[in-house]
Amino acid sequence: EAGVAQSPRYKIIEKRQSVAFWCNPISGHATLYWYQQILGQGPKLLIQFQNNGVVDDSQLPKDRFSAERLKGVDSTLKIQPAKLEDSAVYLCASSSVGRDTEAFFGQGTRLTVV
Amino acid sequence: AQRVTQPEKLLSVFKGAPVELKCNYSYSGSPELFWYVQYSRQRLQLLLRHISRESIKGFTADLNKGETSFHLKKPFAQEEDSAMYYCALRGGGADGLTFGKGTHLIIQP
Repeated sequence: EAGVAQSPRYKIIEKRQSVAFWCNPISGHATLYWYQQILGQGPKLLIQFQNNGVVDDSQLPKDRFSAERLKGVDSTLKIQPAKLEDSAVYLCASSSVGRDTEAFFGQGTRLTVV
Repeated sequence: AQRVTQPEKLLSVFKGAPVELKCNYSYSGSPELFWYVQYSRQRLQLLLRHISRESIKGFTADLNKGETSFHLKKPFAQEEDSAMYYCALRGGGADGLTFGKGTHLIIQP
């Protein structure tokens, strides 16, 4: 089966600019996650969707980050305006519903804010 | 609050030697524990989970609730085991994972 697709793979922007990342989950997976992985750290959950509803966005910096999953399939994550500390790899993952399920990860988007 | 601690940033062992990657967690309920692996230039992927109690690629991990640990072990390391290893916890009502900072395992020939 096709894996989780993310684009772009790399992005370089200046601080205060805006940027958007796109994710296409595995077909049929109702749950979608966005993680932020800063260099030298493990991934940190930003937001979790089930279908097109938000399950958990407690760690999403809502003053500058937003995410949507219209129609319960693809998702976009946006940062506006970007700060230097937003430089990280943004990972998208998806899974089927339930606790005993595996999350499959995309390749990630590496964002550099200069 | 839930937390996962991997005390070793880097672990280097020789091929054929035993490997143990340490993971300790903090969680008030009954967590699910996982080990994820990321090989060079590949995406993060699940290695094993405590609920399955299985051995994958020769690796095993036992959940020790008394010591709140989930250490990953392999009796004889192979060069292809070189990778980043992340311990992760899932607890509470949400299904999102809390990751440790990772251990970079290097197997020397």
